[in-house]
Amino acid sequence: DVQLVESGGGLVQPGGSLRLSCEASGFAFSDYEMNWVRQAPGKGLEWVSYISTTVSAKYYADSVKGRFTISRDNAKNSIYMQMDSLRVEDTAVYYCVRSHDSAVGAFDFWGPGTMVTVSS
Amino acid sequence: SFALTQTPSVSVTPGQTARIPCGGDNIGTRTVHWYQQRPGQAPVLVVFDDSDRPSGIPERFSGSNSGNTATLTISRVEAGDEADYYCQVWDNSSDHWVFGGGTKLTVL
Repeated sequence: DVQLVESGGGLVQPGGSLRLSCEASGFAFSDYEMNWVRQAPGKGLEWVSYISTTVSAKYYADSVKGRFTISRDNAKNSIYMQMDSLRVEDTAVYYCVRSHDSAVGAFDFWGPGTMVTVSS
Repeated sequence: SFALTQTPSVSVTPGQTARIPCGGDNIGTRTVHWYQQRPGQAPVLVVFDDSDRPSGIPERFSGSNSGNTATLTISRVEAGDEADYYCQVWDNSSDHWVFGGGTKLTVL
């Protein structure tokens, strides 16, 4: 079965940093594009970042560009999100999400999420 | 950037048909995907490529897309369908993925 498990969330002060991890299993990880999507408390879904299979392409939402960095290690079946200069408005559940292998733009599996709280 | 508009709430009685619209400028020229999110759970893909269903999703879930509106239709609604539903597209002009604001489906 496909599994995505996020870790690394927690409480951090504004201006601080945090590194999220997502470990995948149950599928050929290196063949799939991956993403981070977040959801602020009581709010809707917001796409955050994308990474291609070979790391040749990375895209970011305008709200995080220049502060967040996505990466992946295909040998460890993992993706990461380095989050710097965190703001209160970055408070959210962060989901690790797999891109559908044929439906362009669709997300076919989601992890359970990890909570990030930015507060003083 | 491209924007998607969803009505905040839709209510329906069990056994009836729920229609959840998603508006966007000429959205019919784009490919729309739909997600169901039950309370406290991660989202689940229920319709992709406007009208296809992933394996395991009941045939009661269907989608359409034309003009300025895409629609998720849930036939013979059950209590377990009560959830938030999000439409989503990929904006290839900006390489950004866009979600609608979500619609809360209440089963009365």
